[in-house]
Amino acid sequence: NAGVTQTPKFRILKIGQSMTLQCTQDMNHNYMYWYRQDPGMGLKLIYYSVGAGITDKGEVPNGYNVSRSTTEDFPLRLELAAPSQTSVYFCATQGQPVTEAFFGQGTRLTVV
Amino acid sequence: DQQVKQNSPSLSVQEGRISILNCDYTNSMFDYFLWYKKYPAEGPTFLISISSIKDKNEDGRFTVFLNKSAKHLSLHIVPSQPGDSAVYFCAASAGSAGKSTFGDGTTLTVKP
Repeated sequence: NAGVTQTPKFRILKIGQSMTLQCTQDMNHNYMYWYRQDPGMGLKLIYYSVGAGITDKGEVPNGYNVSRSTTEDFPLRLELAAPSQTSVYFCATQGQPVTEAFFGQGTRLTVV
Repeated sequence: DQQVKQNSPSLSVQEGRISILNCDYTNSMFDYFLWYKKYPAEGPTFLISISSIKDKNEDGRFTVFLNKSAKHLSLHIVPSQPGDSAVYFCAASAGSAGKSTFGDGTTLTVKP
């Protein structure tokens, strides 16, 4: 089992470009999350999903969009990249609410 | 207002000694607490958790203590090993919401 797979691992974007960060899980978990981690900071929740077809905003959703058409996939879309979106992005899954989350290896994004 | 705070950005201990990492929270709705460990260029991995109905949970060298009245939890690592050197994140969640709020992390360095 691969667990949680994020692609790409690294990406450099120019201001105004768009991209999709991919996240796929093979754990059959209903709960999925997108976090960002800025240097020296903790993880901030961008968006989350409690099941296919259901998404909701987290703490820092501005500039991002998500979709959840299947249990396995939870892509994160950046429409107009800005330098403030330079960060490391982590996707995570969770089987039940009161359990631990499983994280992908992260995507390091730089916007120049 | 940061709901989960780790006031010590870093901690250095000698191999074999005890490491104590602290975490404070402000939201009284939090009822499930977790510690994650993170190595560079990897995603966080789950270490240990505790429910608000308990005041202590132990797993091998790792023990988490919860003081609900003080809204404080701590992670004890005994004995500390060089391989424990990593960033440790405290996280908290409220009931069935599932999603966790993270602290900014404490970098633990265990010296041989």
